Parts: sequence; C-alpha cells; structure tokens
Amino acid sequence: AQKITQTQPGMFVQEKEAVTLDCTYDTSDQSYGLFWYKQPSSGEMIFLIYQGSYDEQNATEGRYSLNFQKARKSANLVISASQLGDSAMYFCAMREDPMDSNYQLIWGAGTKLIIKP
Amino acid sequence: KAGVTQTPRYLIKTRGQQVTLSCSPISGHRSVSWYQQTPGQGLQFLFEYFSETQRNKGNFPGRFSGRQFSNSRSEMNVSTLELGDSALYLCASSASLSRLPGPLHFGNGTRLTVT
Repeated sequence: AQKITQTQPGMFVQEKEAVTLDCTYDTSDQSYGLFWYKQPSSGEMIFLIYQGSYDEQNATEGRYSLNFQKARKSANLVISASQLGDSAMYFCAMREDPMDSNYQLIWGAGTKLIIKP
Repeated sequence: KAGVTQTPRYLIKTRGQQVTLSCSPISGHRSVSWYQQTPGQGLQFLFEYFSETQRNKGNFPGRFSGRQFSNSRSEMNVSTLELGDSALYLCASSASLSRLPGPLHFGNGTRLTVT
C-alpha cells in the first residue's frame, strides 16, 4: 500500500493566486515527520517545510504553510501569492520513527506545478 | 554554512563500467543518505549512514554500495553498470540526533547516464 499519496499529477495556477497541493499519508507510528520539497528543473531538491507529528500548530515558512490534519492523515502544502519561480515539482515525504530503524524518507509521486503569468 | 556538495554533477559511463559518486554533508551533520530518482520509479531510498555505519538499506542489488568516512563524507559506488542505472542520484544530510525525525537537506545531485 502506498504510504504517501499525492493525487494531483499536475496543476496550473494563475500567478499571485494561492495554491494547495494535496498529500495524504499512512503510518501506524506515533512519531513521524512530514516534509515538503521543491524540485526545479535543475534537479536540486529544496526543503520547504516540516511538520512533526507532535506539533500542535501548523508549520509555516514564509509563503509556505502546511495544513496538518492528523486525524485525516493529511498534510497539504499551501503556497500563498504564487510566483512564476514556484513552477516546479513538489514532493510530499514522510520519515517514520527512527527507533524502528527506518531512517529513510518515503516519497509521494509528486505534483508538477506550473504558474501562469 | 555550506550546503550538501555532490560531485561530479554529470557523468556518462558505459555499460559494465563502475562509478563512484561523492557527497560532502553540511558541516556537523553525521547522517548521510542516498536516493535514486528516475522518471519511472520516482525517488527510491538507497542507503543511510551514520557515524561510518550503514543504518538502513533500500531494496537495491549488491552492485550498489556505499561508505562513510570519519569526516562524514560519503561515497556510493555502482559496479557493472546497467542502462537502467541511468538516474539522478541525490545525497542528503541530516543533523537530527533525537528520536523525532528531522529534515533532510539535499545536494544538487549527480546525473548519471549509462550508454
């Protein structure tokens, strides 16, 4: 079963609009971390935002915020006031409790976001 | 603080050859992990090292190996290259020492093409 699901393969958004990228996850661990990364066409994987499973408040980093709904196992990324430079692939990822000796990031398939001028 | 540095940036190799990729983590980070990214399979975990010890390994054949040095720099090696090994190889480092998982910081990647 997929552990990270990103249901939007691609999205077109008008510049300056807000955009929400969906991510649902599946884990039985109590301690885990959720991440969003941006990958421009250059290939570099850029860390955007992190939400720990015990964090009660939604994470925010500048124009990025994470809408964390633990009961629904949802961790959507919200980008406010989108810019042309936001065009990229966006990956949702999860890292489960390292005490289970599982240190890897589990990745979603990604969403290709294109910002239209 | 310098980011994660991967060398080389691009590599072209022939089937059957071997290749070594290098990764220097962010200063102070002791955990280094490697990922393979291909259009068909997406991002897949290769292995993770902490303090020169491999802590976890993904589902890749034995042709893929790695190591970590005492200064936390890491190398991965792929022997007997196959066409399917063509991919972007990403290295990531992490400072997280606590039980709660923290963010991984990635390098620019090495794009390997096998002909």
